[in-house]
Amino acid sequence: AQSVTQPDIHITVSEGASLELRCNYSYGATPYLFWYVQSPGQGLQLLLKYFSGDTLVQGIKGFEAEFKRSQSSFNLRKPSVHWSDAAEYFCAVGAKNRDDKIIFGKGTRLHILP
Amino acid sequence: EAQVTQNPRYLITVTGKKLTVTCSQNMNHEYMSWYRQDPGLGLRQIYYSMNVEVTDKGDVPEGYKVSRKEKRNFPLILESPSPNQTSLYFCASSSVNFPYGYTFGSGTRLTVV
Repeated sequence: AQSVTQPDIHITVSEGASLELRCNYSYGATPYLFWYVQSPGQGLQLLLKYFSGDTLVQGIKGFEAEFKRSQSSFNLRKPSVHWSDAAEYFCAVGAKNRDDKIIFGKGTRLHILP
Repeated sequence: EAQVTQNPRYLITVTGKKLTVTCSQNMNHEYMSWYRQDPGLGLRQIYYSMNVEVTDKGDVPEGYKVSRKEKRNFPLILESPSPNQTSLYFCASSSVNFPYGYTFGSGTRLTVV
């Protein structure tokens, strides 16, 4: 069955520290992968996406993610977090066939310590 | 500005009173979808539409209706709301052309008492 797992419900890091949010997927076809961010009271905003090519993808707000096919993972990273990065982050997987819907993980809430 | 607009942002209603949450996009997207977000359950798809007059059920369609008479609009209708439909609702749209990615509305927080 197709699924996306974000193992960490909550993560707390200090401002200025590095960040890695984990995402594992199970998908029968070639996966197309997304990370979204939801700030409090807001909708979801696309941070980055991977379709093909270089497995290290750069996104907005200084985020990057690395696709590792052998580990079925697409972890999100940032070298130095800012207080404004406190939000909920969603990993999602879809397919090139637009009839296949995008499946979202349950999200990881990021807390930033001053 | 390219956007998905939902209204209202907040709504409190009583059980059984029909309501409609509107969704409109200005990007000429073919694909539109409704999600509900509940703590611990993430985003669950309610209904989606691949184009005008084409709609299909998502994972949790019970108690909801949708229509797609125009490309830009995709209203969500609750004919007889119940307290278990208290949730945060999001509308999203995307092109059907690859590559794609969803654009989300700001959400509608619905409380049914």
